[in-house]
Amino acid sequence: GNSVTQMEGPVTLSEEAFLTINCTYTATGYPSLFWYVQYPGEGLQLLLKATKADDKGSNKGFEATYRKETTSFHLEKGSVQVSDSAVYFCALFNQAGTALIFGKGTTLSVSS
Amino acid sequence: DTGVSQDPRHKITKRGQNVTFRCDPISEHNRLYWYRQTLGQGPEFLTYFQNEAQLEKSRLLSDRFSAERPKGSFSTLEIQRTEQGDSAMYLCASSLTAGEGGYTFGSGTRLTVV
Repeated sequence: GNSVTQMEGPVTLSEEAFLTINCTYTATGYPSLFWYVQYPGEGLQLLLKATKADDKGSNKGFEATYRKETTSFHLEKGSVQVSDSAVYFCALFNQAGTALIFGKGTTLSVSS
Repeated sequence: DTGVSQDPRHKITKRGQNVTFRCDPISEHNRLYWYRQTLGQGPEFLTYFQNEAQLEKSRLLSDRFSAERPKGSFSTLEIQRTEQGDSAMYLCASSLTAGEGGYTFGSGTRLTVV
């Protein structure tokens, strides 16, 4: 079945550093891909999505490109802030298209 | 639109007791999902409803778990005879149609079984 694999964390960066969080997927067909973010004490929030190959999702300075050649959807941000400290989850739909499947999450910690 | 609401936020119960959680989705969303999240893991799918019909259940949803969504509005998740392994965050989410635009999650109910 469909699945996602994320790089293990934690990722620790200084403010204004460049961020990459790797996500690769295994899927039948080309399902939509998502990044969710979970801030401390809060529920998951949709950060960005891409619905087809070569699409780039972007939001709040974060970007991710749907690459079918490498089956990847890496999350990037050019200059992180302390407020970006959170857990980031990569996700895609299951093979039936009925529910999202999430990666294990990557914890990002940004210090000033 | 107040988002997805879950109640209670926290629940501590003794092993063997029954617990029930409630989720109020965004009013115009016809799909509602339950997930479970344990420490250091991503959310794991439990079940989903389209309106009042429960259309899919994960293998994680043992026979001690039951979910309902009467009238296609709020939903409840009941766990009978709780076990320590049931300790987790239970997340509810809702979406419009099949959720291609993503889900809206509630803040979750944290269950601790002692």
